[in-house]
Amino acid sequence: GQNIDQPTEMTATEGAIVQINCTYQTSGFNGLFWYQQHAGEAPTFLSYNVLDGLEEKGRFSSFLSRSKGYSYLLLKELQMKDSASYLCAVTDSNYQLIWGAGTKLIIKP
Amino acid sequence: DGGITQSPKYLFRKEGQNVTLSCEQNLNHDAMYWYRQDPGQGLRLIYYSQIVNDFQKGDIAEGYSVSREKKESFPLTVTSAQKNPTAFYLCASTQGDRDINEQFFGPGTRLTVL
Repeated sequence: GQNIDQPTEMTATEGAIVQINCTYQTSGFNGLFWYQQHAGEAPTFLSYNVLDGLEEKGRFSSFLSRSKGYSYLLLKELQMKDSASYLCAVTDSNYQLIWGAGTKLIIKP
Repeated sequence: DGGITQSPKYLFRKEGQNVTLSCEQNLNHDAMYWYRQDPGQGLRLIYYSQIVNDFQKGDIAEGYSVSREKKESFPLTVTSAQKNPTAFYLCASTQGDRDINEQFFGPGTRLTVL
């Protein structure tokens, strides 16, 4: 079966750095997405990786290793507004998007 | 402004009633999707449509129906056959017919069945 694993919940301190991991087992791979979702709101796009390596976009970076079936989202200089759920999603060989359950990130002052 | 609209934001219905959730987009996107999200869970695909007058079942289509008569619109009907319809429903769209492009989401409809 197809599976995406993320930690259920993480806690970090304002101003610090946090890394949210995502491992996947899918039938083929055509890209990996990270989305941010604040409570009660719609997900918003953060990043897309299809090749191995690190993609940096401001305070957020996303890394992919296709051979390991692994990605992480790195958030720097954490702000209280970063408190949200972070969803990992993978496009499989049929170009269908498979979603992880999401990681709830709690930022403390 | 281009985007996706869903209405209403909150919806209450009695058990046994059918209810239709609206989803409209003016992004000129080809593909549209309906997801269901329950507390502590990821998004689960109900139905998707890659072109007008065509749609496909997702992972949890039982108890739901859709139509795609216009490119801009993809309404979802939650029927009385859906055993546990209380959930947060999200509509999304994407350019092209493959899931390699960013999905844009509407604000969601929270359905509560009493």
